[in-house]
Amino acid sequence: DAGVIQSPRHEVTEMGQEVTLRCKPISGHDYLFWYRQTMMRGLELLIYFNNNVPIDDSGMPEDRFSAKMPNASFSTLKIQPSEPRDSAVYFCASKAAGGGYTFGSGTRLTVV
Amino acid sequence: AQSVTQPDIHITVSEGASLELRCNYSYGATPYLFWYVQSPGQGLQLLLKYFSGDTLVQGIKGFEAEFKRSQSSFNLRKPSVHWSDAAEYFCAVVPTGGYQKVTFGIGTKLQVIP
Repeated sequence: DAGVIQSPRHEVTEMGQEVTLRCKPISGHDYLFWYRQTMMRGLELLIYFNNNVPIDDSGMPEDRFSAKMPNASFSTLKIQPSEPRDSAVYFCASKAAGGGYTFGSGTRLTVV
Repeated sequence: AQSVTQPDIHITVSEGASLELRCNYSYGATPYLFWYVQSPGQGLQLLLKYFSGDTLVQGIKGFEAEFKRSQSSFNLRKPSVHWSDAAEYFCAVVPTGGYQKVTFGIGTKLQVIP
């Protein structure tokens, strides 16, 4: 198993541009999570899905953030328009019920 | 609301020395408890977890953690640290009862000196 796959690994974009982060969870895992990591706030849960359905999006900071999971093998996190304060490492994780989390390697986003 | 406290932001230990990383949680009942490690440029890797039963949990890479209900703590230990253990360590809690939301501590960055 290749684990949780995130792309791109690094993204540098200008303020105001749309950014799309991608995640492929582990096959058979029915939960998918998006996290944001910053030095000041540590790891924050943004949103999670169960069987492709968004369950809790209370961590999504603003309407500029949106996430979708059109099928069991793919999810996106979109920021539109992006701002410098969105600069962070974004992690995707998946898990099966009763199991631990498996995290991707993250996407380092820099908004200039 | 549940919370996780890792009081040490940075810890420096000599190679071969013992290590203890502290984690305290605040929650109405005993949650599920996890420790993760993040190496530079990598995602988080599960070291160990506690669901119930024996309060001393063995994990990968020679790590162990002890759950102490009276102290609401789940400290991570290793008897002899290796240079490759330099990384950031995160404690995490998940409420029991099937709700999947996890709360992470702020992380402890471990530096290992020769």
